[in-house]
Amino acid sequence: GIQVEQSPPDLILQEGANSTLRCNFSDSVNNLQWFHQNPWGQLINLFYIPSGTKQNGRLSATTVATERYSLLYISSSQTTDSGVYFCAVVGGGADGLTFGKGTHLIIQP
Amino acid sequence: NAGVTQTPKFQVLKTGQSMTLQCAQDMNHEYMSWYRQDPGMGLRLIHYSVGAGITDQGEVPNGYNVSRSTTEDFPLRLLSAAPSQTSVYFCASSYSKHLRPQHFGDGTRLSIL
Repeated sequence: GIQVEQSPPDLILQEGANSTLRCNFSDSVNNLQWFHQNPWGQLINLFYIPSGTKQNGRLSATTVATERYSLLYISSSQTTDSGVYFCAVVGGGADGLTFGKGTHLIIQP
Repeated sequence: NAGVTQTPKFQVLKTGQSMTLQCAQDMNHEYMSWYRQDPGMGLRLIHYSVGAGITDQGEVPNGYNVSRSTTEDFPLRLLSAAPSQTSVYFCASSYSKHLRPQHFGDGTRLSIL
């Protein structure tokens, strides 16, 4: 099946810093989403982005489908950005989302 | 508009007991699915449904049953609970399995003793 690798696995930043999270995938995809899992365990859908670039406030995402990667940018980090960020794709013949193992982000005040 | 609603939020079972995790959505989504999340890992697909009366297996289906009698509801049944099924379970729905974002419930934290 399709493989999804996220980097870095852990990231600790000071409030106000910027960060880039990366997602590599091993096959063509027709659905790619970024999620934020908050400290209460809720999965929040950030972006549906199988290709191109989208922005939502301090967050933006870019997917280059031909090169099989996606990037999530977080600018001017806030403590509420802490949590785990997951990339998930539909591809490689799978019938549901295949998740990466996530990037654990800690924003310190 | 409640989105995807999962009940219960927490449950403790003894090995061998059975139970049903409930999932309901009010967005008229055709596609619904169940995932489990284990520590340090992403979510893995258990079962999914592309519409009422149609279900299929995902990556980790053993020990679980599903049915889809209505568009709104997609319950997950544990037939004989085992400690390996201790996990957090998420239900998700979308308009289609490929071309639309998926919306997740808040999860059910299940412990099997």
